[in-house]
Amino acid sequence: AQSVSQHNHHVILSEAASLELGCNYSYGGTVNLFWYVQYPGQHLQLLLKYFSGDPLVKGIKGFEAEFIKSKFSFNLRKPSVQWSDTAEYFCAVNALDSARQLTFGSGTQLTVLP
Amino acid sequence: EAQVTQNPRYLITVTGKKLTVTCSQNMNHEYMSWYRQDPGLGLRQIYYSMNVEVTDKGDVPEGYKVSRKEKRNFPLILESPSPNQTSLYFCASSLNGARFSPLHFGNGTRLTVT
Repeated sequence: AQSVSQHNHHVILSEAASLELGCNYSYGGTVNLFWYVQYPGQHLQLLLKYFSGDPLVKGIKGFEAEFIKSKFSFNLRKPSVQWSDTAEYFCAVNALDSARQLTFGSGTQLTVLP
Repeated sequence: EAQVTQNPRYLITVTGKKLTVTCSQNMNHEYMSWYRQDPGLGLRQIYYSMNVEVTDKGDVPEGYKVSRKEKRNFPLILESPSPNQTSLYFCASSLNGARFSPLHFGNGTRLTVT
């Protein structure tokens, strides 16, 4: 069965600092990869996704993620965070030959200090 | 406005008292799903439905029931709630499955079972 690991449970940064959130998955086949964001008190919304092609994908609000197949990773990055980026971030994986639809990681709470 | 609507937003109940959380989407999506969100565990899928009258178990289906009689509605039923079902529940929908279409989430239902 596929699984998703987000090793950073809580990250605290100052504004303008660079961000990298780790996401690793355990599945050897072809995958689709997603990052979702949940702002305080709100529902989850899609940040970015990777299906195929260029392994560096850009999403909304200046976020990007890089798919490294050899490392089974899909880390989320942002060069300069803002206070408004304070949220919980979830990595999600779908294995294309699996009946399971989408598996989420446990989430990373990002707190950006003004 | 395209949205997924869940009701109620907050629910406090007692052990054993049957309850239903409603979910409705107005985007003509084929796929709908229920998740529960617990601290440190991320989102875990309870049930999903690929289309009307088609439902499948997710990761944690025990103690829950669903039905999909109409395309727009996907209620979650707890026949005999227990305290370990205290959680934050999200309904989600997508055009044709979570593999390629992004999920649209409802605002969540916070359930407390005493």
